[in-house]
Amino acid sequence: AQTVTQSQPEMSVQEAETVTLSCTYDTSESNYYLFWYKQPPSRQMILVIRQEAYKQQNATENRFSVNFQKAAKSFSLKISDSQLGDTAMYFCAFILSGSARQLTFGSGTQLTVLP
Amino acid sequence: DSGVTQTPKHLITATGQRVTLRCSPRSGDLSVYWYQQSLDQGLQFLIQYYNGEERAKGNILERFSAQQFPDLHSELNLSSLELGDSALYFCASSKGTATNTDTQYFGPGTRLTVL
Repeated sequence: AQTVTQSQPEMSVQEAETVTLSCTYDTSESNYYLFWYKQPPSRQMILVIRQEAYKQQNATENRFSVNFQKAAKSFSLKISDSQLGDTAMYFCAFILSGSARQLTFGSGTQLTVLP
Repeated sequence: DSGVTQTPKHLITATGQRVTLRCSPRSGDLSVYWYQQSLDQGLQFLIQYYNGEERAKGNILERFSAQQFPDLHSELNLSSLELGDSALYFCASSKGTATNTDTQYFGPGTRLTVL
C-alpha cells in the first residue's frame, strides 16, 4: 500500500516571501503521479500542480514549483511571492499509473500567509 | 470552477436516516470518484465508477452505496446514518481513459451533518 506523509501540520509565511511545504511518500512501484491540491477556507479542492514520476524535470505552474526527488521519495512544493490568497490547507497526493486508480492523500499542511 | 457539480451543498439529518448525494462530472469525463473528508480520518477514497460500472472500491461502509447513471451523473447513498458519518463528501471526475492516469478535478463537496 502507498502512504503519503506531510510532517508539517502548520506553517506561516510573510506576504511576498517564499515557502516550501514538504511531502514524502512510500511505494514499491515505479510509475506514478504526484499532485498538490489546495483547500482554501471555502473547502473547495483545487489542483495546484502535477508531476509525472517518469519525468526528471520538475513541474512549474506560475509561482508554484516542485522539487521532485524520486530516489528519496520526496515531493516538496515551493510557493514564491506568497499572496494572501495562498492561505489554505495544502494536500500532497499520490496515484499509481494506469486506470481505475484512486488518490492517496497526506494529512495536509495548513499554510497561513501573513500581511 | 472545476466543472464538477455537487448537490446539495449542505445536508443536516438525524441518526438512522438515509440521504442521497448527487454529482455531475465535467463534460466529457467518464470516471467519477467519491471521497470522504473527516477530521479524524482525513481524505479517504470511497468508490470509483467508470462509464456506469464500478471500477474500484476503497474504505466504503456497507451502509453506503453508489451508482453512475447513463448520463454519467453519480449518486452516493448513505443509510442508517451515524454521528460518525458527519463529514465533507467530495466527488471528483476525470476522463478515465483505459491506460492513462488522469488528473481528478473535485466538486465543491457536500457537507453532511448527522445529529
